[in-house]
Amino acid sequence: ELKVEQNPLFLSMQEGKNYTIYCNYSTTSDRLYWYRQDPGKSLESLFVLLSNGAVKQEGRLMASLDTKARLSTLHITAAVHDLSATYFCAVLNNAGNMLTFGGGTRLMVKP
Amino acid sequence: NAGVTQTPKFQVLKTGQSMTLQCAQDMNHNSMYWYRQDPGMGLRLIYYSASEGTTDKGEVPNGYNVSRLNKREFSLRLESAAPSQTSVYFCASSVAYSNQPQHFGDGTRLSIL
Repeated sequence: ELKVEQNPLFLSMQEGKNYTIYCNYSTTSDRLYWYRQDPGKSLESLFVLLSNGAVKQEGRLMASLDTKARLSTLHITAAVHDLSATYFCAVLNNAGNMLTFGGGTRLMVKP
Repeated sequence: NAGVTQTPKFQVLKTGQSMTLQCAQDMNHNSMYWYRQDPGMGLRLIYYSASEGTTDKGEVPNGYNVSRLNKREFSLRLESAAPSQTSVYFCASSVAYSNQPQHFGDGTRLSIL
C-alpha cells in the first residue's frame, strides 16, 4: 500500500525567508505531483515531476524529485504573503490509475 | 471553459437520508475520480472510473456508490448518510493512464447531522 507523508504539517514563516517542504513516499514511483489549495477552494496543479532528478521551477517555488530516496521537496525562496496556502504532494501508483495524497503542509507567510 | 463542475456546493442532511452528488467535466477526459477531504487532512480516494463503463473502489469506498453515466458525468451516492461522512467531496478528471495532472472541481461541502 502506497503511503505519502509530508512534513512539516504546519509552517509559519516570515516574508523574505527560505524554506523547504518534504514529501516522502513508501513504494516505487516516478510520478509525483504538487498541488496548492487556498482555504475553502479547490486544488490547483503546480508541478508534475516524472523522473529521477526532475526539477521544476515557477516563480518562488521549486520542486524536485529523487525516486531512489522516494523523496520530493518543494523549496520556497524569499517567501511572500501570496504564497500562504496548503500544499499537497501526491504520488501516482505504477498502474497509473490511483493518486495518493500526503496530509498537506499549511503554509502561513507573515509580513 | 467550465472544467469540472460539481453540484451542489453545500448540503446538510440528516442521518439516514440519501443523496447524490453530481460531477460533470467538459475536457473530454476518460478518467474521473471522487475524493473526500476531512479537516486538516489530504484527499482520500473513494471511487474512480478509468473509462466510461468501468468503476473501481479506492481507499475508502464503504458507504458510497458511484455511477459513470456517460463520458462527461460521474455521480457519487450516499444511500444512508452517517455523521462520519461529513466532509468536503471533490470530483476530479484526467486523461486516462497519462502523466497529466488531475483537474479538480470546487468541491461539495456536506454536513450530516
